[in-house]
Amino acid sequence: DIQMTQSPSSLSASVGDRVSITCRASQSVSPWLAWYQQKPGKAPKVLIYKASILESGVPSRFSGSGSGTEFTLTISSLQPDDFATYSCQQYNSYPKTFGQGTKVEIK
Amino acid sequence: EVQLLESGGGLVQPGGSLRLSCAASGFTFSGYGMTWVRQAPGQGLEWVSAITGSGGSSYHADSVRGRFTISRDNSKNTLYLQMNSLRVEDTALYYCARDDAPGGGYYDFWGQGTLVTVSS
Repeated sequence: DIQMTQSPSSLSASVGDRVSITCRASQSVSPWLAWYQQKPGKAPKVLIYKASILESGVPSRFSGSGSGTEFTLTISSLQPDDFATYSCQQYNSYPKTFGQGTKVEIK
Repeated sequence: EVQLLESGGGLVQPGGSLRLSCAASGFTFSGYGMTWVRQAPGQGLEWVSAITGSGGSSYHADSVRGRFTISRDNSKNTLYLQMNSLRVEDTALYYCARDDAPGGGYYDFWGQGTLVTVSS
């Protein structure tokens, strides 16, 4: 199975900050990597798929990059609505494993 | 509008069984793979089971293989998860999600989840 490891597990940031979250895979999954946002009590919502493609309706302050085994989700200017937990997922092969999540909190 | 509505969760004793359902609407159900993802209280997302649009292929996580069975009825636009030999560690919120492609992809729509609690 492919293991997905996110870092950091949590971070504190202020509105307007640039935030980056890293996801590392135990083997190459390129380009089949998605990022999800989840708020408390809500279902996850896809932000990015195929490593760097923004899902329709997602604000352009979100971007994805990377290839092979290392990927990054970047929020260019953190907004109040962005405080949430972010998870990566590889969909290169079954089982389609998720990272453990990164909680973005208000500083 | 795509809608996914899970049902069937509840409290069950260890060793018991439950069948979850996910009623889909707003899209051509048979044209998409479907997946169950679970989230234990306070934990991250765990991929559980997936099935292709035709129902011809299915996949299960090692943690549930041999105990859970995913299936679908394309005439009823419904996805199922039969869960047998339930364990305390199966306690979680179970989401159904739509794959973005017939053979599987990322998950572009999610239901709101149904809670399964395994406890004596």
